[in-house]
Amino acid sequence: RKEVEQDPGPFNVPEGATVAFNCTYSNSASQSFFWYRQDCRKEPKLLMSVYSSGNEDGRFTAQLNRASQYISLLIRDSKLSDSATYLCVVKADTGGFKTIFGAGTRLFVKA
Amino acid sequence: NAGVTQTPKFRVLKTGQSMTLLCAQDMNHEYMYWYRQDPGMGLRLIHYSVGEGTTAKGEVPDGYNVSRLKKQNFLLGLESAAPSQTSVYFCASSYFPVEIGDNEQFFGPGTRLTVL
Repeated sequence: RKEVEQDPGPFNVPEGATVAFNCTYSNSASQSFFWYRQDCRKEPKLLMSVYSSGNEDGRFTAQLNRASQYISLLIRDSKLSDSATYLCVVKADTGGFKTIFGAGTRLFVKA
Repeated sequence: NAGVTQTPKFRVLKTGQSMTLLCAQDMNHEYMYWYRQDPGMGLRLIHYSVGEGTTAKGEVPDGYNVSRLKKQNFLLGLESAAPSQTSVYFCASSYFPVEIGDNEQFFGPGTRLTVL
């Protein structure tokens, strides 16, 4: 089982739709969680951190469910410019360097 | 502010050839990282550095070497390239260790390497 798993998609949604992605992680010692965005043939960029109480940044909402060991990203009112791959990133503070990237979920928003 | 830059952007090698990828950052970051990204897999850490003159192995270090002679530069070397090293290589940097809280990593634009 992969340490961080994401549905690869692609998710094809129309403009204005609401779409949600989940990411599951296997290490219960994981303590920090993030969503990165990666445009086609570009580098990953931080989209948002994920806090225990859930957090929102404009149209984006991130949530953490420690009991079920997953994080989610909700995008409301999708824009064409939201088309990208969304990477889930999990840090396990077990001592030593342990940052795990998911393989990503591809999103296509169409007009 | 250029951020994190990488050279070259593209390279094709033959099996057994060697090359060096250069990463430079102008943000005065202590921590630098080299990752590879392959289809269907997340970014995997090759080597990292916690400061000038230091390097450490990551998840997939075999076949690679690194050096951090200057704080702003982090070099990744392939001594004898193999087809399995065909990948996209990303360099990243951060001010604090990535293990700490919300610390963000800043990535370079990537190097697309093909080994024939």
